[in-house]
Amino acid sequence: NAGVTQTPKFQVLKTGQSMTLQCAQDMNHEYMSWYRQDPGMGLRLIHYSVGAGITDQGEVPNGYNVSRSTTEDFPLRLLSAAPSQTSVYFCASSYSRPTGLAGETQYFGPGTRLLVL
Amino acid sequence: KQEVTQIPAALSVPEGENLVLNCSFTDSAIYNLQWFRQDPGKGLTSLLLIQSSQREQTSGRLNASLDKSSGRSTLYIAASQPGDSATYLCAVKNYGQNFVFGPGTRLSVLP
Repeated sequence: NAGVTQTPKFQVLKTGQSMTLQCAQDMNHEYMSWYRQDPGMGLRLIHYSVGAGITDQGEVPNGYNVSRSTTEDFPLRLLSAAPSQTSVYFCASSYSRPTGLAGETQYFGPGTRLLVL
Repeated sequence: KQEVTQIPAALSVPEGENLVLNCSFTDSAIYNLQWFRQDPGKGLTSLLLIQSSQREQTSGRLNASLDKSSGRSTLYIAASQPGDSATYLCAVKNYGQNFVFGPGTRLSVLP
């Protein structure tokens, strides 16, 4: 299994440009989520999905869109990038909504480093 | 709203030393607490999970404790090794809520 994969690893955007961060998992996990990590702050939840066709907002959803058409893929879209969206983005997946119990461990991708100029 | 802090932000120790990392949270009505490890350029890896009813968990040289009443958890690393160098994050889950992560402690173990 490849686990959770993310592309690209690094991206530079100009303010106002749009892009999609890709996330895929091959573990047949129902739950997938996107976090952003900023210096001096913990990971903050952007959006999450409990299954194909179902998405919901996390703590910091503004400026981001998601969709979940398949179990495997959960792309994150920036429609009009802003410098405040400069961050490292992590995708994670688990069998069900993570509670921390055995069997519900979150698996994290390697991250996408985004710089918005 | 749950808030999680970690002190210190960075720590440098010589190889072989025992060390303690701290995690504090503001809302003590937690469901569980997890410690993660993050290597540079990598995602997070779960290390230890403590349920709200537990006081500690151990895995090899790692021991995590939980004191809900004071809103604190510690991660104890025995006989540190250079391979332990990484950022350590704690994450707290309250009932019906998503995990809230701390900012992490960056650990360097010097040979």
